[in-house]
Amino acid sequence: DAKTTQPPSMDCAEGRAANLPCNHSTISGNEYVYWYRQIHSQGPQYIIHGLKNNETNEMASLIITEDRKSSTLILPHATLRDTAVYYCIVRGGWEAGGTSYGKLTFGQGTILTVHP
Amino acid sequence: NAGVTQTPKFQVLKTGQSMTLQCAQDMNHEYMSWYRQDPGMGLRLIHYSVGAGITDQGEVPNGYNVSRSTTEDFPLRLLSAAPSQTSVYFCASSLRGKLFFGSGTQLSVL
Repeated sequence: DAKTTQPPSMDCAEGRAANLPCNHSTISGNEYVYWYRQIHSQGPQYIIHGLKNNETNEMASLIITEDRKSSTLILPHATLRDTAVYYCIVRGGWEAGGTSYGKLTFGQGTILTVHP
Repeated sequence: NAGVTQTPKFQVLKTGQSMTLQCAQDMNHEYMSWYRQDPGMGLRLIHYSVGAGITDQGEVPNGYNVSRSTTEDFPLRLLSAAPSQTSVYFCASSLRGKLFFGSGTQLSVL
């Protein structure tokens, strides 16, 4: 799986957009970018994933650069409840089949603190 | 749907004791996995299963056993607990690459 690099911590004011970057320069053509977050003591929560097109759902938007070497998770209107550790993960999608499609390797992530 | 249910939420063991962490899911997901999380660290994969009767090792399998006799259940067994196994354990099931996690078991080995 491709390695990812994220800043260890970021701050954001409540109500503003939070833009969390992730570098994955060794990503291969069939690898997806997944984002999860973990609020203190809870199990990680799936946010969004994408291959090469930008994606949006009710939680966030995912912007992937054209060369796919980096991506940005955008929380459009951050709230205090968005304070969490955000993990960017790269790996083959479920369509890849085999026995490893569900294996996700979690790094250190980015600690996002949303301030009032 | 209850999702992924883990029991117990908290457990204290003495060194050398054995125990089983329970994990059950009601979403009919084929893929299930166990992770451990140590303070200040990300999650590390212990074991995973792609369906009933099929299991495989993750990054840190030593000291743990798993079995998958049904789609719903994926228990994690500690054979002889050691202080190094003090951690928070998360079970997850997966659908199309999306992991759904349980609320975790906080285990302390004295």
